[in-house]
Amino acid sequence: DTAVSQTPKYLVTQMGNDKSIKCEQNLGHDTMYWYKQDSKKFLKIMFSYNNKELIINETVPNRFSPKSPDKAHLNLHINSLELGDSAVYFCASSQPPWTAPYEQYFGPGTRLTVT
Amino acid sequence: RKEVEQDPGPFNVPEGATVAFNCTYSNSASQSFFWYRQDCRKEPKLLMSVYSSGNEDGRFTAQLNRASQYISLLIRDSKLSDSATYLCVVRGNGGFKTIFGAGTRLFVKA
Repeated sequence: DTAVSQTPKYLVTQMGNDKSIKCEQNLGHDTMYWYKQDSKKFLKIMFSYNNKELIINETVPNRFSPKSPDKAHLNLHINSLELGDSAVYFCASSQPPWTAPYEQYFGPGTRLTVT
Repeated sequence: RKEVEQDPGPFNVPEGATVAFNCTYSNSASQSFFWYRQDCRKEPKLLMSVYSSGNEDGRFTAQLNRASQYISLLIRDSKLSDSATYLCVVRGNGGFKTIFGAGTRLFVKA
């Protein structure tokens, strides 16, 4: 069984479009995250959610809007896509930081290409 | 200064070699530390957590020096399958903020 799944795996779209990426985890974790890995392979946190509440927003443009309908899902909607949004987006989940172990489990990534 | 800095790499080593990776972090309030491994076009996976007392898992040994804000990973008897990018990871801000280093690429050759 896949622990953290993301859809779609690949996404090719044009500038200005709006797109969504979905993430689901079946690990029973309370905490979920979105990361962006750019062309230089640098992995940077975007958002952290705990129990459906936003905890961290790392100065991400407001074109990016995460939504957590329940603890097992954290979706990412992106408006008005720009060329610079091209990257691999990873979803992850973990136990809350005050609960050991809290290693993060990552989804397989969504490769977004904006043309 | 970057929040988490790693050796730039790449490291090219023969099978059986011992290789060491270093990492420094800037925030002295950082709370927990990890090494992750990322294979090409795959997601990062936890290799090991890093504890103040140092810890070992088979061929892998991790060390943490809080005073120097320094983390290390030692790989003994390198295998071809160890070829990957190794990511130093630091968590702070109550643990919700996770900062990844840029990674060090390792190539192990036969």
